[in-house]
Amino acid sequence: QKEVEQNSGPLSVPEGAIASLNCTYSDRGSQSFFWYRQYSGKSPELIMFIYSNGDKEDGRFTAQLNKASQYVSLLIRDSQPSDSATYLCAVNGGGGADGLTFGKGTHLIIQP
Amino acid sequence: GAVVSQHPSWVICKSGTSVKIECRSLDFQATTMFWYRQFPKQSLMLMATSNEGSKATYEQGVEKDKFLINHASLTLSTLTVTSAHPEDSSFYICSAGDSLSTDTQYFGPGTRLTVL
Repeated sequence: QKEVEQNSGPLSVPEGAIASLNCTYSDRGSQSFFWYRQYSGKSPELIMFIYSNGDKEDGRFTAQLNKASQYVSLLIRDSQPSDSATYLCAVNGGGGADGLTFGKGTHLIIQP
Repeated sequence: GAVVSQHPSWVICKSGTSVKIECRSLDFQATTMFWYRQFPKQSLMLMATSNEGSKATYEQGVEKDKFLINHASLTLSTLTVTSAHPEDSSFYICSAGDSLSTDTQYFGPGTRLTVL
């Protein structure tokens, strides 16, 4: 059974600092990796996706993938109070017909 | 980015009734749509994969006769919760992938179902 593990938190980070979120997955066949942000009572919002080993940067966000270690991370630079949310890591086998397996999410709190 | 809508956004119904939830891709065609369920303090769990013009594929433990899925066009999928019971109360979220793009999924705003 596919599993995605995340530390549930809460993770508290001062405003302006770097927030680091981590995720591990069990299925070595996983090909696509996603980070979603979810505010309370709302549906997930896509932040980034990554397919290849290494780093991928988009604005204040950097996703890191290490397939050998089955590890994905998300770095948020210059954290803002509006970044406070639950961050969900999701993986699938690749291809548009494959549903996502989600972790339980990490609750991030950015302290002003 | 791609926009997915859901209707209704919330619904309250009596136990034993059926509820239909619509999921639409507004600005792209979606060969495949997905239905997820999220209980309080839990993560999203995939319920089924909805394929246009064919039968849906259900995840283990999800009753196909209770959760009826129809994907009649490239922009619309519906989920009907039949004979709803209080334990079916949850946040139901659909997602769709752009057939012409990568396997990125875009989520609808969700439907909060409360069964009394």
